[in-house]
Amino acid sequence: GENVEQHPSTLSVQEGDSAVIKCTYSDSASNYFPWYKQELGKRPQLIIDIRSNVGEKKDQRIAVTLNKTAKHFSLHITETQPEDSAVYFCAASIGNTGFQKLVFGTGTRLLVSP
Amino acid sequence: DADVTQTPRNRITKTGKRIMLECSQTKGHDRMYWYRQDPGLGLRLIYYSFDVKDINKGEISDGYSVSRQAQAKFSLSLESAIPNQTALYFCATSDLRAGGREQFFGPGTRLTVL
Repeated sequence: GENVEQHPSTLSVQEGDSAVIKCTYSDSASNYFPWYKQELGKRPQLIIDIRSNVGEKKDQRIAVTLNKTAKHFSLHITETQPEDSAVYFCAASIGNTGFQKLVFGTGTRLLVSP
Repeated sequence: DADVTQTPRNRITKTGKRIMLECSQTKGHDRMYWYRQDPGLGLRLIYYSFDVKDINKGEISDGYSVSRQAQAKFSLSLESAIPNQTALYFCATSDLRAGGREQFFGPGTRLTVL
């Protein structure tokens, strides 16, 4: 079935460094790729998303890039801060537009040390 | 504020018991989803519903059933709970009028089956 692989499973960086999380997907028809952030004990929340007609999207310190040919997409966080510490999930859509559901990656635990 | 709520937030039960987890939303969204979260496995889809008369199995529906009592309510039942159903369960919603893509999660229900 459809699959999303996410790496690394854990990532430790120093405050101010950049962090990159990578995902690959299997369904060539996927056209929507969101990233969710889950803080400890909290619910997942959308932080950024990208659609297949765009190669890159940026929102302040976070950006997402998409390579449809290679079927992979990445989350980039620059100038990391301790409050960026959380679990990050990527996801890819499956199904027809209007009736889509999401397949999630296994998550990356990011730890930003002061 | 419009929100997604889940009850109970925590539940401990014994093997063989029937359990119902409830989800309500005041967002006015038509689509609702149930996921389970396990360490290292990410979020896996159990069931989803695109409207009141539509129920679909996700990737891990065995041992679970659902009921969409109204547009705003979507319940998940474990007919005979077993220990490997111990997990964190999330309900989510999305809005077709906004494209149906972004999913909004409830606060989660932590279920322990002894």
